[in-house]
Amino acid sequence: ELKVEQNPLFLSMQEGKNYTIYCNYSTTSDRLYWYRQDPGKSLESLFVLLSNGAVKQEGRLMASLDTKARLSTLHITAAVHDLSATYFCAVDVFYNQGGKLIFGQGTELSVKP
Amino acid sequence: DGGITQSPKYLFRKEGQNVTLSCEQNLNHDAMYWYRQDPGQGLRLIYYSQIVNDFQKGDIAEGYSVSREKKESFPLTVTSAQKNPTAFYLCASSIDGGETQYFGPGTRLLVL
Repeated sequence: ELKVEQNPLFLSMQEGKNYTIYCNYSTTSDRLYWYRQDPGKSLESLFVLLSNGAVKQEGRLMASLDTKARLSTLHITAAVHDLSATYFCAVDVFYNQGGKLIFGQGTELSVKP
Repeated sequence: DGGITQSPKYLFRKEGQNVTLSCEQNLNHDAMYWYRQDPGQGLRLIYYSQIVNDFQKGDIAEGYSVSREKKESFPLTVTSAQKNPTAFYLCASSIDGGETQYFGPGTRLLVL
């Protein structure tokens, strides 16, 4: 069974601190996405990682992909309250056959002053 | 403005009733998708379509049906066979299968 597992599932952190969210997946894939979801809202695309060793950065967020370890990380630097949301990773296991995404459970991030 | 629209925002279903959720996009995307999200969980794929007049079942297609008669539109029908339909339904599209998927605002379905 294809599985995508995120940890932690809940993360409460103080403003200014750093932390990393981990995304492990159980099948071969060279394409991984990170999305953000605010409460009651839709998903917003953050990053797409297309190859082993890929690293993308946007503001205080940096995502990386290690396809050999089947691991992606989302690193948060100097967190601010506006980053409070749920973050999902999603693995594209059939990207040459229709783009079927398998999502992780999500990591609910709460950044407190 | 290009984007994905879903309607209605909230939908109430009576037992035994079929209901249809609308998804429209003006991004000229070939591929469209329907996902279901239950509270505190990730998204699960219901159906997807790579091209007009063609669609495939996802992981949880039972109790749902779709059509893709136009490139812009991919409606989802929740049939009476779906015994636990209460969820947040998200439609997505991508320029073609395998590219970044962009999501609509979602429809929240509740059972009366």
